[in-house]
Amino acid sequence: DIQMTQSPSAMSASVGDRVTITCRASQGISNYLAWFQQKPGKVPKRLIYAASSLQSGVPSRFSGSGSGTEFTLTISSLQPEDFATYYCLQHNSYTYTFGQGTKLEIK
Amino acid sequence: QVQLVQSGAEVKKPGASVKVSCKASGYTFTSYGISWVRQAPGQGLEWMGWISAYNGNTNYAQKLQGRVTMTTDTSTSTAYMELRSLRSDDTAVYYCARDGGYCSSTSCPIMDVWGKGTTVTVSS
Repeated sequence: DIQMTQSPSAMSASVGDRVTITCRASQGISNYLAWFQQKPGKVPKRLIYAASSLQSGVPSRFSGSGSGTEFTLTISSLQPEDFATYYCLQHNSYTYTFGQGTKLEIK
Repeated sequence: QVQLVQSGAEVKKPGASVKVSCKASGYTFTSYGISWVRQAPGQGLEWMGWISAYNGNTNYAQKLQGRVTMTTDTSTSTAYMELRSLRSDDTAVYYCARDGGYCSSTSCPIMDVWGKGTTVTVSS
């Protein structure tokens, strides 16, 4: 199975900061990677698909990049509503894998 | 609008089985599949498996092989996930999500729409 290593597992940042979260795949997955945001008690929401395509309705401060084994999610200027947990998902193989999650907290 | 409506919360004893339903509306059910994802209290997301609503093909997470069965009823546009031999660590919120199983240059319906989740509690 393909393993996804997400880092950091937690971080604190301030409104207006630029934030980057990384996912590394144990083997190449082309661009078969998505990013999700989940707020406490809520359903996960897809932000990015195909590694770098922005989901309709998602603010442009969110962006994704990468291919192969290394991927990043960047939030260019943190807003109060962005404090949440973020997960990557690889769907290259017949079995999918989520990263462990990154909890983004207010500094 | 595209919607997935899941069945209500369940409380089960260890060793029992649970069957969660996920009724789709607002799109052609057989043109996509359904992934099932669970989340134990305070933990991350865990992919459980996928079923094609077109032909019933399934892919299951290795750790659940032999305990999980995913099915669909195309007449009612409903997907089902049955988990057997329940243990306390199966206590979780179970989500279904629309999943076409592919990405193309024009479309990538991988977990783009989610149900609200079904809480399954396993306790003696």
